[in-house]
Amino acid sequence: EAGVTQFPSHSVIEKGQTVTLRCDPISGHDNLYWYRRVMGKEIKFLLHFVKESKQDESGMPNNRFLAERTGGTYSTLKVQPAELEDSGVYFCASSQRRSDYEQYFGPGTRLTVT
Amino acid sequence: AQRVTQPEKLLSVFKGAPVELKCNYSYSGSPELFWYVQYSRQRLQLLLRHISRESIKGFTADLNKGETSFHLKKPFAQEEDSAMYYCAPFYTGGFKTIFGAGTRLFVKA
Repeated sequence: EAGVTQFPSHSVIEKGQTVTLRCDPISGHDNLYWYRRVMGKEIKFLLHFVKESKQDESGMPNNRFLAERTGGTYSTLKVQPAELEDSGVYFCASSQRRSDYEQYFGPGTRLTVT
Repeated sequence: AQRVTQPEKLLSVFKGAPVELKCNYSYSGSPELFWYVQYSRQRLQLLLRHISRESIKGFTADLNKGETSFHLKKPFAQEEDSAMYYCAPFYTGGFKTIFGAGTRLFVKA
């Protein structure tokens, strides 16, 4: 079974540009999460989808971040315009059911904003 | 707000020595307790969860509700245990995981 995949693995952009990160969860997993680890800090929750619906986006830093999950399958996280402090590793995770709290993580996307 | 404390950023032990990675969490609605591990060049993966009460790769975790702690232990560390370990309670009320800062374990030969 394929695990959670993320694309790209690494992105280097200039301040002010736009970047879109993609996450493909494990097939059949309704729950999809985005997390971020900024250099030297802990992994922080960004948001949670159940199928195509946003359940909790309390961790999104500001309105420069937009997450979508079209059709309840893959998800994208767009940063527009990117700022230096957005640099970090963005993780995606998925889980199967509402009562299944174990999460399966993707390899992460390392975003570097210069 | 929920808070997870892992007091040691780095823990260095010799092979064969016991190891304990500490974790304290804030109590809010009886979280489900997990430890995740990230080995070098690999993705985050589940190490163990309290509810299953299993021992994985020789590791166990003791839940102390009074102290709100969930320390991870292994009696005899191996070199292959070197990795980053995250205590990660899942708060069922908010339906999300709160991560500790992580402890890097380095097991020396």
